[in-house]
Amino acid sequence: NAGVTQTPKFQVLKTGQSMTLQCAQDMNHEYMSWYRQDPGMGLRLIHYSVGAGITDQGEVPNGYNVSRSTTEDFPLRLLSAAPSQTSVYFCASRKTGPNYGYTFGSGTRLTVV
Amino acid sequence: AQKVTQAQTEISVVEKEDVTLDCVYETRDTTYYLFWYKQPPSGELVFLIRRNSFDEQNEISGRYSWNFQKSTSSFNFTITASQVVDSAVYFCALRITSGGYNKLIFGAGTRLAVHP
Repeated sequence: NAGVTQTPKFQVLKTGQSMTLQCAQDMNHEYMSWYRQDPGMGLRLIHYSVGAGITDQGEVPNGYNVSRSTTEDFPLRLLSAAPSQTSVYFCASRKTGPNYGYTFGSGTRLTVV
Repeated sequence: AQKVTQAQTEISVVEKEDVTLDCVYETRDTTYYLFWYKQPPSGELVFLIRRNSFDEQNEISGRYSWNFQKSTSSFNFTITASQVVDSAVYFCALRITSGGYNKLIFGAGTRLAVHP
């Protein structure tokens, strides 16, 4: 099993550009989520999904879109990148139910100039 | 409010010292889960422990131990005889149910530096 795979690992964007951060898991986890990590603020939830076709907003959803067409993939789209979106992005997944922990991807470091 | 507070931003110790990382949480849920994650300089998040709200037994795993006290809403993490490889940012997190779904709320993290 590869676990949770995030691509790319690093990206530099110009303000106003769009891009998609990819997240894929091969563990058949129903729940997937995106977090951003900023200095001194821990990780904050952007969007999450409890299964294919179901997504919802987290704590900081503005400027980001998601979709979940398959169980395996949960891409995060930045429609018009802003410097405030410079951050490290983590994707996480887990099986639903109380006794399951989260598996995190290795992160994507995004810089918007 | 539902949140996690890690009041210690940075801790610096010398190798072999014991160190405790504090975590205080707030939640209105009666059933919840608490986690600790380690983020080494390489950047990945490494799961350390999960504890549910009904299990207040302390846990020890090698040099790591966790003290969960519901009375003070704390879930502190102690590293005994610290080593340079313990240098990392440590996150405490709370899993709650919000809007019918579970969500993970992180503290701001504590950066631990262990010096030789």
